[in-house]
Amino acid sequence: GQNIDQPTEMTATEGAIVQINCTYQTSGFNGLFWYQQHAGEAPTFLSYNVLDGLEEKGRFSSFLSRSKGYSYLLLKELQMKDSASYLCADMDSNYQLIWGAGTKLIIKP
Amino acid sequence: GAVVSQHPSWVICKSGTSVKIECRSLDFQATTMFWYRQFPKQSLMLMATSNEGSKATYEQGVEKDKFLINHASLTLSTLTVTSAHPEDSSFYICSASIGGAISDGYTFGSGTRLTVV
Repeated sequence: GQNIDQPTEMTATEGAIVQINCTYQTSGFNGLFWYQQHAGEAPTFLSYNVLDGLEEKGRFSSFLSRSKGYSYLLLKELQMKDSASYLCADMDSNYQLIWGAGTKLIIKP
Repeated sequence: GAVVSQHPSWVICKSGTSVKIECRSLDFQATTMFWYRQFPKQSLMLMATSNEGSKATYEQGVEKDKFLINHASLTLSTLTVTSAHPEDSSFYICSASIGGAISDGYTFGSGTRLTVV
């Protein structure tokens, strides 16, 4: 079966660091995506990992461990505008995206 | 960057009527367009995949006669919700692959919030 798990909601403080975890189980694997979605808006692309390791892109970094079926999104120097849902999605052997339910991140001053 | 223009952004319609949602790729050719539906606080759910010039592939449980998809050109795909009912009220989003590399990700339209009264 195919399954994506990520926490439903997380809270963090402005200026701090937060790590959002995602575990996946799929038939075949062609990469792991992270998207940001503000309420009432469409998702926007953040990152793509297909090899193990950490990919850094400004304040956002994404990590992948294929053997563990595990990824995380790391957000540094949190800003209020980072309050959003963060969606984890993996691409299966048919190149179809399987989406997690998203993690709602609440940033407090 | 690659842009998918989706409209309308929101629409309210009466039960029993039909609503058409358009997605246009503005600066690239979208051979494949994905149509999603998202209920409040839930994940994106793929409804169908449309390929230019061919019939759409629908996911299990999605009625193809109710959700009509047309992808007549490389820059335009449409979703028509026919005989809409209140349970069809949802956020509908289209998405397309930007280019040849998977790492480029997928770009989304801005979404259409449909309310059926």
